[in-house]
Amino acid sequence: SAVISQKPSRDICQRGTSLTIQCQVDSQVTMMFWYRQQPGQSLTLIATANQGSEATYESGFVIDKFPISRPNLTFSTLTVSNMSPEDSSIYLCSVDGGHTGELFFGEGSRLTVL
Amino acid sequence: QKEVEQDPGPLSVPEGAIVSLNCTYSNSAFQYFMWYRQYSRKGPELLMYTYSSGNKEDGRFTAQVDKSSKYISLFIRDSQPSDSATYLCAMSAGGNNRLAFGKGNQVVVIP
Repeated sequence: SAVISQKPSRDICQRGTSLTIQCQVDSQVTMMFWYRQQPGQSLTLIATANQGSEATYESGFVIDKFPISRPNLTFSTLTVSNMSPEDSSIYLCSVDGGHTGELFFGEGSRLTVL
Repeated sequence: QKEVEQDPGPLSVPEGAIVSLNCTYSNSAFQYFMWYRQYSRKGPELLMYTYSSGNKEDGRFTAQVDKSSKYISLFIRDSQPSDSATYLCAMSAGGNNRLAFGKGNQVVVIP
């Protein structure tokens, strides 16, 4: 399994600001995934980040709000832009464990927007 | 109807009891079934993985899949306080299909 590091682990932000979350993997991976975990809700996929191409966003998520970078095969960033209290959530980076679909997750970034 | 249903109600049990968790699903294409454990302030970690129908046992943990009923279960025997966590079911059809997650069950094992 991959070791995935995320930074920051938590942050408190003001409404209207932006925050960038970093994800570092200890091995090269083709795809990296960004999830959102809100209280009482299922893990929700935000987007898939492939190295060398634009991220693919799921329904309800747009690039202007959640820009993603994937500069190499071990690193990705997710930015939460123009934050509102509704963006308060845990954001998780993950990588594919194989063709059977299991995922390995980072420890998450807990974001609180005031 | 959501793809995966998992009653998110918290569950408190005394130490040593059997914990029983379950999920139902609607997509008959699902054939890979997983249970993740998530401790407070941590990311989910893969606990059990099962392909198609049947049982899988790993120590005190047993995962069951009944594809005919579209129903999966996780049993924890001789529960310990260290088992206190949120348990999420997840499933996929494989290939490039995404994992579909349940909402998770918070389990508290009381010493």
